[in-house]
Amino acid sequence: DAKTTQPPSMDCAEGRAANLPCNHSTISGNEYVYWYRQIHSQGPQYIIHGLKNNETNEMASLIITEDRKSSTLILPHATLRDTAVYYCIVRPSTNAGKSTFGDGTTLTVKP
Amino acid sequence: GAVVSQHPSWVICKSGTSVKIECRSLDFQATTMFWYRQFPKQSLMLMATSNEGSKATYEQGVEKDKFLINHASLTLSTLTVTSAHPEDSSFYICSALRAGAADTQYFGPGTRLTVL
Repeated sequence: DAKTTQPPSMDCAEGRAANLPCNHSTISGNEYVYWYRQIHSQGPQYIIHGLKNNETNEMASLIITEDRKSSTLILPHATLRDTAVYYCIVRPSTNAGKSTFGDGTTLTVKP
Repeated sequence: GAVVSQHPSWVICKSGTSVKIECRSLDFQATTMFWYRQFPKQSLMLMATSNEGSKATYEQGVEKDKFLINHASLTLSTLTVTSAHPEDSSFYICSALRAGAADTQYFGPGTRLTVL
């Protein structure tokens, strides 16, 4: 799996957009970018994934740069319940697709 | 959709006993499931990949005779921690792979194991 780099921590004001960056400069052409988050003492929650186009769902938006070497997860209106560790994972989409977790970004949403 | 459950959510056992943890995909079939372990303030570490109807593939350093994995159906995988010791105390998390245009892993809520 391609290595990813994320800042260890970020703060965000409640109601504002949270932009979480991820660098994956060694990403291969068949590798997707996946985002998960883990709230304390719970299993990781799937957020979104993408290959090269920007993606949006009910939880977040994913912006992938044209060269695919980095991406940004956007939570448009952060709430206190969005406080969690966010993981960016890059892996092929094949059936073997085990996910290797790095240290992630601890996002703290403040009132 | 894409719900994965684990049972039990927490378990306390005595040293030397065995503990079985179940992982179920509730609304989809999963030929592949994964087992992770997470120690406090650390990230998830992949232990093994479980494939329905075949032997599990263990990551380097994970003892296959201690962590027995069975994936007997397309919706159920079990992890048995044999002869548990206090150092096996951890948060065990499973995930199930849902096939699609891009296969996506969905995770269970985790099982907290405490070995006394």
